Amino acid sequence: DSGVTQTPKHLITATGQRVTLRCSPRSGDLSVYWYQQSLDQGLQFLIQYYNGEERAKGNILERFSAQQFPDLHSELNLSSLELGDSALYFCASSASSGNPQYEQYFGPGTRLTVT
Amino acid sequence: GQNIDQPTEMTATEGAIVQINCTYQTSGFNGLFWYQQHAGEAPTFLSYNVLDGLEEKGRFSSFLSRSKGYSYLLLKELQMKDSASYLCAVSPLPPFGGYNKLIFGAGTRLAVHP
Repeated sequence: DSGVTQTPKHLITATGQRVTLRCSPRSGDLSVYWYQQSLDQGLQFLIQYYNGEERAKGNILERFSAQQFPDLHSELNLSSLELGDSALYFCASSASSGNPQYEQYFGPGTRLTVT
Repeated sequence: GQNIDQPTEMTATEGAIVQINCTYQTSGFNGLFWYQQHAGEAPTFLSYNVLDGLEEKGRFSSFLSRSKGYSYLLLKELQMKDSASYLCAVSPLPPFGGYNKLIFGAGTRLAVHP
């Protein structure tokens, strides 16, 4: 158990809908990262927040957005869902933002299926 | 940009040693990570290299050569539970990275047979 929690575990929804994925980092970790893992794309970095502020952006679609709240939990919002958005979405946390020696701890993931 | 290459699949025998290679082309990075991921589960951290050389952690060791753009993960005394995907990742320097963003390779699926 990494200490990172994600809800829900599974989500099935229809095209065009909007969903929110939730992540709580390990106690004391200020950085939260979101990754998408699909069968054909591997693990892709989406976005990072540090203590409530956006710090880095990856290949995140404009239909996707995220935020980190004062209690450090984070939410990833996916809208106008398409079949291709079906994937495992992982949240990870680490103690620091600027020191790469702090490894990232991954949550169990949310499996999103768009039908 | 960054490009990370790993073999797609490998097989090995229980008790043996296996080396999983990772080559990368990147304009610069802070460090190189190895993660293990069992099917349908979260990646778990295995090792981190920032300097050239070998880092040893029990049955697992990781090696980095920045000049050659090359890393490997060495797994000794293989066990059936080592059957998993092994992901090589770099933490790129700005402007492509910074702040610990990780760029992952596609992963190597290792199957350990009795």
